[in-house]
Amino acid sequence: SQKIEQNSEALNIQEGKTATLTCNYTNYSPAYLQWYRQDPGRGPVFLLLIRENEKEKRKERLKVTFDTTLKQSLFHITASQPADSATYLCALAGGSQGNLIFGKGTKLSVKP
Amino acid sequence: GAVVSQHPSWVICKSGTSVKIECRSLDFQATTMFWYRQFPKQSLMLMATSNEGSKATYEQGVEKDKFLINHASLTLSTLTVTSAHPEDSSFYICSARLARLAVRDTQYFGPGTRLTVL
Repeated sequence: SQKIEQNSEALNIQEGKTATLTCNYTNYSPAYLQWYRQDPGRGPVFLLLIRENEKEKRKERLKVTFDTTLKQSLFHITASQPADSATYLCALAGGSQGNLIFGKGTKLSVKP
Repeated sequence: GAVVSQHPSWVICKSGTSVKIECRSLDFQATTMFWYRQFPKQSLMLMATSNEGSKATYEQGVEKDKFLINHASLTLSTLTVTSAHPEDSSFYICSARLARLAVRDTQYFGPGTRLTVL
């Protein structure tokens, strides 16, 4: 069956360090992958989209990599800040309606 | 930017009553809207896909007679939870897809509606 796994439910790091979150998928051949941020009691907010022919994408302190051979995406936040604390979701457009299929998310906590 | 609103942001109701949740795209036209449900510490699960002017497509296991979806215009979709029960308590989130943009598959999400059924 198709699966998207974010193998860390929670990640705690110190302010200023780089946070690295992992997203693995099986039985998909996605044309692209997306990362979202979700704060408690709020809807997801789109961060980055990376296509299958892109190895890496950057946006300010964010960096996403996409390895279609490993079926894995890594999401990095450099120089992390307490304000970066949130749950980060990866998603693929794998549904029959073109809908997104989400991982469970990784809850990032950045300590001052 | 593309903004999606939901109303209400939270609602508490008695078991057996019906609750309507609105999802609006404020500054763009959305030909497709999606309704998701999220339980605590779980991923967003798609309930149904709503295309303007046509019947919604429901995911397997989602009762279409219980979760009524109407997408009467390009900026508004509604989800009505009929005869709500405590097990329907969840966080309901809609999203809208901007088909006209270059990155056409990006979805923009509403802030969510917390439903609590007593």
